[in-house]
Amino acid sequence: SQKIEQNSEALNIQEGKTATLTCNYTNYSPAYLQWYRQDPGRGPVFLLLIRENEKEKRKERLKVTFDTTLKQSLFHITASQPADSATYLCALGNYGGSQGNLIFGKGTKLSVKP
Amino acid sequence: DGGITQSPKYLFRKEGQNVTLSCEQNLNHDAMYWYRQDPGQGLRLIYYSQIVNDFQKGDIAEGYSVSREKKESFPLTVTSAQKNPTAFYLCASRLTGTSAHEQYFGPGTRLTVT
Repeated sequence: SQKIEQNSEALNIQEGKTATLTCNYTNYSPAYLQWYRQDPGRGPVFLLLIRENEKEKRKERLKVTFDTTLKQSLFHITASQPADSATYLCALGNYGGSQGNLIFGKGTKLSVKP
Repeated sequence: DGGITQSPKYLFRKEGQNVTLSCEQNLNHDAMYWYRQDPGQGLRLIYYSQIVNDFQKGDIAEGYSVSREKKESFPLTVTSAQKNPTAFYLCASRLTGTSAHEQYFGPGTRLTVT
């Protein structure tokens, strides 16, 4: 069955460092991968989408890579700030079948210490 | 402001009672989704609807029902048949027919059944 794993439940880093979160998947060939941010007690907020034919995507301090051979995506936050502390979810999607339906990982809780 | 709303934020019910969670969007999105989120688990899809008057079961539909009589509204009923209904429920919507695949989430409803 399809499986999506985010490298760790929690990641603690110092302010100013680069946070790197990992998303691995098996038994699936996604057409695209998305990253969301979720604050406690709130709904997830979309951050970035990267397609299977794209290697890297950037948005301000965020960078996402997608390696379909390794079946892995890396999500980087450079110059991290305490305000970046949240849970980050990765999600896989495809174009055919149940169009637009996403498979979500369990998330990685990032804590950025000042 | 365009967005997706869920009400109420917190809901308490006695075991054996049905309860309906509201989800409304004014984004003019065709597709709408209901997810359930439990601690330590990823978002799990309950039901989804790609168009008015049509909806499909997700991965964990047992004990739930939905309706989609209007484009803007996608209420979820948690029935007494749902064995473990206490959870955080998230509604989402998505624009179809474009290259955009991100989902927009509401703020969530935390349901507690005792």
